[in-house]
Amino acid sequence: NAGVMQNPRHLVRRRGQEARLRCSPMKGHSHVYWYRQLPEEGLKFMVYLQKENIIDESGMPKERFSAEFPKEGPSILRIQQVVRGDSAAYFCASSPFGGGQDTQYFGPGTRLTVL
Amino acid sequence: SQQGEEDPQALSIQEGENATMNCSYKTSINNLQWYRQNSGRGLVHLILIRSNEREKHSGRLRVTLDTSKKSSSLLITASRAADTASYFCATVPPPGAGSYQLTFGKGTKLSVIP
Repeated sequence: NAGVMQNPRHLVRRRGQEARLRCSPMKGHSHVYWYRQLPEEGLKFMVYLQKENIIDESGMPKERFSAEFPKEGPSILRIQQVVRGDSAAYFCASSPFGGGQDTQYFGPGTRLTVL
Repeated sequence: SQQGEEDPQALSIQEGENATMNCSYKTSINNLQWYRQNSGRGLVHLILIRSNEREKHSGRLRVTLDTSKKSSSLLITASRAADTASYFCATVPPPGAGSYQLTFGKGTKLSVIP
């Protein structure tokens, strides 16, 4: 039973480019969460999605960031016109039941570096 | 503001000793979870303890929760070099709070010296 998959594992972008991060949840999980981690910091919640729905995006910057979880395929976190401050590790987690009531299983993360 | 705050920020012990890490939080919770993160890696879930539970065990791990003090502790007994990692507590708000997010502390860096 494969765990949460994220790709790419490392992504390098120049300022102004777009970054697309992908997350495939564990089999049977329909709830996906995205978190960002700055160096030496804990994880900060960004967005919570179910299939085709954004449930809670209270942690996501209003501009340049968007997330989706289509009916088919992985969840995508998209950052447009990246800036140096976007450099961080981005983690995706999935859970079977959602609502924060059960364990979230984390992927290995995507480390984004903005030059 | 950060919901969970771990204490100490860093801890260095000899292999075989016990390690205790504490977590304090500010608002009501549904559950509290402990995670481990090895350097440069993803998070591994260790234990989930619900607000109506006081203590849980899993192998060499023991977690306590005191909701009256809004605090939790993680005890690792008979530590091993492989336990070297950062440990995070994360809280989930009660149902109806309008939020489902895990709120993490900054973590405790544990170093176990062989």
